Amino acid sequence: AQKVTQAQTEISVVEKEDVTLDCVYETRDTTYYLFWYKQPPSGELVFLIRRNSFDEQNEISGRYSWNFQKSTSSFNFTITASQVVDSAVYFCALSVPPNDYKLSFGAGTTVTVRA
Amino acid sequence: DGGITQSPKYLFRKEGQNVTLSCEQNLNHDAMYWYRQDPGQGLRLIYYSQIVNDFQKGDIAEGYSVSREKKESFPLTVTSAQKNPTAFYLCASSRRAGTGVYNEQFFGPGTRLTVL
Repeated sequence: AQKVTQAQTEISVVEKEDVTLDCVYETRDTTYYLFWYKQPPSGELVFLIRRNSFDEQNEISGRYSWNFQKSTSSFNFTITASQVVDSAVYFCALSVPPNDYKLSFGAGTTVTVRA
Repeated sequence: DGGITQSPKYLFRKEGQNVTLSCEQNLNHDAMYWYRQDPGQGLRLIYYSQIVNDFQKGDIAEGYSVSREKKESFPLTVTSAQKNPTAFYLCASSRRAGTGVYNEQFFGPGTRLTVL
């Protein structure tokens, strides 16, 4: 069985601060995919990143960066120089092929960025 | 513009009534999904369909039903058997799943159902 834990329920920061969202996953499979999605107040989930289990290289996309560490089963997400538009709920998720249709989501972390 | 539409955005029903949530996509995706989201919880899979006229139960299918008569449409019916139907429902689609090549799921804007 797969499980994703996002221990931080809510995070509140002031604009321009950095914020790191933790994600810890559990799976017995050696091949799997990890994801981050953003859910703004409008409700729609926006795909941010997918990482497969064989690629531990960290990734940076603008103000977003991701730190994947298999040794600690973590896939953490950092927003650098946060902005008010970053306020949203962020979900970490896991899927395992061949059942890659099934995303196991964490409970989400609500990020509030204050001006 | 290609995308997924869900209607209505907000839906109110009396207890004991069945209600159908609409989901339409024009992305030419084979696979479609329904998720339920409750406050403070992640999304949970209700049903999914990888091809027209075929669908499978997800983790929490009890009290729900679906149909997939057209590639573009995947309506979800919340029946009176669903004990706690008030929730936010999200529809998603992707290119065909389970082929060994991962295809991201794209999500619609959701329908918030409140049962009074």
